[in-house]
Amino acid sequence: GAVVSQHPSRVICKSGTSVKIECRSLDFQATTMFWYRQFPKQSLMLMATSNEGSKATYEQGVEKDKFLINHASLTLSTLTVTSAHPEDSSFYICSAKGGSGGPGETQYFGPGTRLLVL
Amino acid sequence: GQNIDQPTEMTATEGAIVQINCTYQTSGFNGLFWYQQHAGEAPTFLSYNVLDGLEEKGRFSSFLSRSKGYSYLLLKELQMKDSASYLCASMDSNYQLIWGAGTKLIIKP
Repeated sequence: GAVVSQHPSRVICKSGTSVKIECRSLDFQATTMFWYRQFPKQSLMLMATSNEGSKATYEQGVEKDKFLINHASLTLSTLTVTSAHPEDSSFYICSAKGGSGGPGETQYFGPGTRLLVL
Repeated sequence: GQNIDQPTEMTATEGAIVQINCTYQTSGFNGLFWYQQHAGEAPTFLSYNVLDGLEEKGRFSSFLSRSKGYSYLLLKELQMKDSASYLCASMDSNYQLIWGAGTKLIIKP
């Protein structure tokens, strides 16, 4: 299967600082990337969908000014958590898929980034 | 509305067979995915069904009935490493995945 990397895998930061998470598709061109958040023992929650070269589409309740997403190339998307607070502590996972996004387009997940805001 | 239902937790014995059920209601349907997620890790793709019937892939098989809005994941010859959460996800008419909460599978020796 396709490989997606995420960096960093773990980050601890102080409240009020910004954190950038990178998501890369290593062996395919990802026309669409997704950012998820998962709290302990809960399901994946889609935060936003980003297409290369266009603005991300945010899910209801997700603040676009707080979670900045940039999908500058077909292999890289970044999520920046601005002015992070303890309640933003979570497991952030990206996924990517190539092609036209039609039926059967599998999403391949990065390994996730565990964010802890003190 | 859109909804995915799967059991919260299941327990099975090493070497046995277990079936994890999933029912879905989504706006449009473009296929049903199963993912495996070990604790503290990201999900990994297991299977995709868009036509009715059973898809077999080694020890894992996945079944779909579109008319019933129902799928199951069948795991045979269970191994301890199969202890994980199994996520069911339906792809809607916008090609977005609607996720279930996951089924935590506990394997006992």
